[in-house]
Amino acid sequence: GAVVSQHPSRVICKSGTSVKIECRSLDFQATTMFWYRQFPKQSLMLMATSNEGSKATYEQGVEKDKFLINHASLTLSTLTVTSAHPEDSSFYICSARESVSYEQYFGPGTRLTVT
Amino acid sequence: LAKTTQPISMDSYEGQEVNITCSHNNIATNDYITWYQQFPSQGPRFIIQGYKTKVTNEVASLFIPADRKSSTLSLPRVSLSDTAVYYCLVVQRGSSNTGKLIFGQGTTLQVKP
Repeated sequence: GAVVSQHPSRVICKSGTSVKIECRSLDFQATTMFWYRQFPKQSLMLMATSNEGSKATYEQGVEKDKFLINHASLTLSTLTVTSAHPEDSSFYICSARESVSYEQYFGPGTRLTVT
Repeated sequence: LAKTTQPISMDSYEGQEVNITCSHNNIATNDYITWYQQFPSQGPRFIIQGYKTKVTNEVASLFIPADRKSSTLSLPRVSLSDTAVYYCLVVQRGSSNTGKLIFGQGTTLQVKP
């Protein structure tokens, strides 16, 4: 079956630093990937849509200069949290949409803790 | 995208059948109903998807009435490992689908021994 991986699975960083999270579709091509954020006891919130070879589309209220998204290939999208602050601590989940079937598959998530 | 409403939480016991109902009054003709399961600190996992009437797979059944304004996820004989959050989503199918999935609050199912 289609597999989406995320790296790292968890990361701790100091306030003010930047951290990059990778999302890979392992056995299929994904023209479009999505990034979600989930706070404890809350639902997933869509942050942005990542399109291969073009700029990401951000949801209302999400700072594009803080959450940098790069989708350089059909199997890889990266989310960089710049100048991270403790309030950015969250569970970040990506999903990848298969280019032919349009089926969407989720990654296992990345736990970010900013100290 | 149609908004969905489902109970915040449900309790059940091992071996029982669990039915979780979701309301989606504004569902459009091209929309499908999709259910996901999420365990703590994991990404959502696809359970089942349907358009109308009944769909069954190895883990669940999905019942959709003729007006499609609601749907019911049925989990037969639940076990402790079915304790999770269940999300009902309305998804537009096909190439016109933007792919955006908007998650509602979900239903937290607690299965007790």
